[in-house]
Amino acid sequence: KNQVEQSPQSLIILEGKNCTLQCNYTVSPFSNLRWYKQDTGRGPVSLTIMTFSENTKSNGRYTATLDADTKQSSLHITASQLSDSASYICVVSAGGYNKLIFGAGTRLAVHP
Amino acid sequence: DAGVIQSPRHEVTEMGQEVTLRCKPISGHNSLFWYRQTMMRGLELLIYFNNNVPIDDSGMPEDRFSAKMPNASFSTLKIQPSEPRDSAVYFCASTPGLAGGLTPISSYNEQFFGPGTRLTVL
Repeated sequence: KNQVEQSPQSLIILEGKNCTLQCNYTVSPFSNLRWYKQDTGRGPVSLTIMTFSENTKSNGRYTATLDADTKQSSLHITASQLSDSASYICVVSAGGYNKLIFGAGTRLAVHP
Repeated sequence: DAGVIQSPRHEVTEMGQEVTLRCKPISGHNSLFWYRQTMMRGLELLIYFNNNVPIDDSGMPEDRFSAKMPNASFSTLKIQPSEPRDSAVYFCASTPGLAGGLTPISSYNEQFFGPGTRLTVL
């Protein structure tokens, strides 16, 4: 069964600290993996898109990693800011089945 | 560019009424997606179009839901009749072409989301 599981469900960190969000998937065949940031009351915004051949991709203070062998991805946020408070959603594309499998998201709160 | 435009931003209606949500994709984008988001189910892909043609509507929950894309700059999602369980935020997203993939789903292109329509069915 195609599934995407994210952990933790929620996270609270202090401003300036680093954090890592996890995404494990069982989607096959794998096409690509996306991380989105969604601020409250707004649409998701794409952070990174990775194919199976990419191990790391950065977007400013956001760095995503992908291990296609273990089917795990992580999103690392460096030097967190208050504006990083949002939900982070992992989405995997099942190319052969032409489907998008969504994780439930991690809700991050950055406190001053 | 103004980005993906959705209207209305908020809709409150009574059970049984017809609801029409509208979306204007980013100019030049070939693919358009309709999503639904609820607390219980998270984000779900309902249907997507490529060059105005519906490609996959397997995510549409019931026959009460229908979507059209009469031209490259406009799409509608209609619910008739609406039910309280349809209450959710509906997002439209668009993407330019199929770079790196054979379909909009496997495409390497970024999807740009609209601000969403918050639908409440009483």
